[in-house]
Amino acid sequence: ETGVTQTPRHLVMGMTNKKSLKCEQHLGHNAMYWYKQSAKKPLELMFVYSLEERVENNSVPSRFSPECPNSSHLFLHLHTLQPEDSALYLCASSSGLPGYEQYFGPGTRLTVT
Amino acid sequence: KNQVEQSPQSLIILEGKNCTLQCNYTVSPFSNLRWYKQDTGRGPVSLTIMTFSENTKSNGRYTATLDADTKQSSLHITASQLSDSASYICVVSAGGKLIFGQGTELSVKP
Repeated sequence: ETGVTQTPRHLVMGMTNKKSLKCEQHLGHNAMYWYKQSAKKPLELMFVYSLEERVENNSVPSRFSPECPNSSHLFLHLHTLQPEDSALYLCASSSGLPGYEQYFGPGTRLTVT
Repeated sequence: KNQVEQSPQSLIILEGKNCTLQCNYTVSPFSNLRWYKQDTGRGPVSLTIMTFSENTKSNGRYTATLDADTKQSSLHITASQLSDSASYICVVSAGGKLIFGQGTELSVKP
């Protein structure tokens, strides 16, 4: 295990639902990230938090809303998603901002119906 | 435009055989290059990291090479095992950002 956990591991939600993804790191890192991984595509960086402050938001639709209450926890709140949002959502943490090595969680497989 | 391209997209080999995965990049300014292994249903795990001055780095049966002049890297897997079946992702750090390749899907068959 990498020291980064994500829950739930699988999530199926309708387009009108509201759900949240949770990430927790046990490595003492001060930067955390959300990525979207779609089949056959490179990982897409969504959000970056450093010392609990959002430092990057890569033109992500407002139906994705991140929250970082402390340096160990990161949430991704989801509402009114579209079927094309179905993907693997990966959380990562690092001891500094890129290019420090990032440690990834196992991901949440999200299916939007 | 910063880009990382990997080849082949997918590869099938027999257990015990060797294979080489390629990564070409056009990024500036270059900081380092990592290879990650991603098992199905898991997050990526770092295999090697190489800086500008390094041209070879080994991690067990995995050997990465870097040619900074031609902006190419390769990952060589020796005596493949079934557990090597995974996606291998090349990631280049440039100007404080990470640029990800699309990955090579390796399948090792018995």
